[in-house]
Amino acid sequence: EIVLTQSPGTLSLSPGESATLSCRASQSVSSGYLAWHQQKPGQAPRLLIYDASRRATGIPDRFSGSGSGTDFTLTINRLEPEDFAVYYCQHYRYSPFTFGPGTKVDMK
Amino acid sequence: EVQLVESGGGLVQPGGSLRLSCAASGFTFSSYEMNWVRQAPGKGLEWVSHISTSGSDRYYADSVKGRFTISRDDAKNSVYLQMNSLRAEDTAIYFCARSFAVWGQGTLVTVSS
Repeated sequence: EIVLTQSPGTLSLSPGESATLSCRASQSVSSGYLAWHQQKPGQAPRLLIYDASRRATGIPDRFSGSGSGTDFTLTINRLEPEDFAVYYCQHYRYSPFTFGPGTKVDMK
Repeated sequence: EVQLVESGGGLVQPGGSLRLSCAASGFTFSSYEMNWVRQAPGKGLEWVSHISTSGSDRYYADSVKGRFTISRDDAKNSVYLQMNSLRAEDTAIYFCARSFAVWGQGTLVTVSS
């Protein structure tokens, strides 16, 4: 089983700043089968990034994903008020398709 | 419009059973793998189960293996989760997801006496 660790647990930032979220896997996520999801309170998750760096349909270009192997990063440039949420990384290389514990981006 | 709508949640006693349904619309359902993901109150996301396009491959989290069964009916554009021997720790919002790219709004399952 691939265990995903996310850091930091909480990121306190102001609108207009940039956010860098980290996701580390316990073993290689080969072929970049790594996704990032955003979840706001009371809402379903929303796919942001798949295959480590591909933006999902309709996702603004201020969101970008990078990384390979065991280390992955989600970068959010110029935070907008609607970007304050919880972000989860997830691998889909093989079962079990585990999620990380999440990083909360809140407003300073 | 691509849409997933879950139903079937509710209050059930420990040891009881519940069957969740997820109705899909706006896309060719038979062409997509489907998943169930749950979220306990105030907690993170937990993958529960996966079914392949043909239904021949089914996977489960260790926490539900032997108790939950995933199935699909392509003629009805639906995926199901049969949940037996329910425990308090199964209390969660259950989301269905199309290949983790499209998510439903979820249905709440509460296991309590």
